[in-house]
Amino acid sequence: AQSVAQPEDQVNVAEGNPLTVKCTYSVSGNPYLFWYVQYPNRGLQFLLKYITGDNLVKGSYGFEAEFNKSQTSFHLKKPSALVSDSALYFCAVRVHASGGSYIPTFGRGTSLIVHP
Amino acid sequence: GAVVSQHPSRVICKSGTSVKIECRSLDFQATTMFWYRQFPKQSLMLMATSNEGSKATYEQGVEKDKFLINHASLTLSTLTVTSAHPEDSSFYICSAREGGISLYGYTFGSGTRLTVV
Repeated sequence: AQSVAQPEDQVNVAEGNPLTVKCTYSVSGNPYLFWYVQYPNRGLQFLLKYITGDNLVKGSYGFEAEFNKSQTSFHLKKPSALVSDSALYFCAVRVHASGGSYIPTFGRGTSLIVHP
Repeated sequence: GAVVSQHPSRVICKSGTSVKIECRSLDFQATTMFWYRQFPKQSLMLMATSNEGSKATYEQGVEKDKFLINHASLTLSTLTVTSAHPEDSSFYICSAREGGISLYGYTFGSGTRLTVV
């Protein structure tokens, strides 16, 4: 089955330090990978995606992610964390839904906490 | 960019009543909309895929008679939780993509917090 895994329930980082939120994937064929962020009681906001091309993808709010085919990973990174980055982060991969459409299927989410 | 409006953001209802949640694409036509359910501190679980003008496709384990989905126009899909019970309390999120664009344009609504008392 095609899926993504987020091995960490929570990541803690001090403001100003670099952050990494991990994601690994398991798909057949070429993966289409996404990162979304969710603030409390809100829907998901798109951060970035990898479809093809450069392995380093730059997205919103200074985030970036590196696609690593050999390690089947797509870790989310940011050089300098902000307290306002504290939120729930979801990695997603495109899969086929029962209705035949392509949809993102999500990892379990990683809570990022940035300490002042 | 594409915007999806979801309403209401919060609703509290009595057990046994029905609740309707609306999902509207504001500046694009959404041939396909998706409904997700999210439990506290858990991921989003796809409930159903809603296609304009046809019946929704439900994921395994989702009761279609419990969660009625109507996608009567290219800009509106509704989810009705019928005869709601406390176990239906959850966070419901809709998502839409613009017709003809394969998967780039998934846009999410802001979610609806349903509490059944």
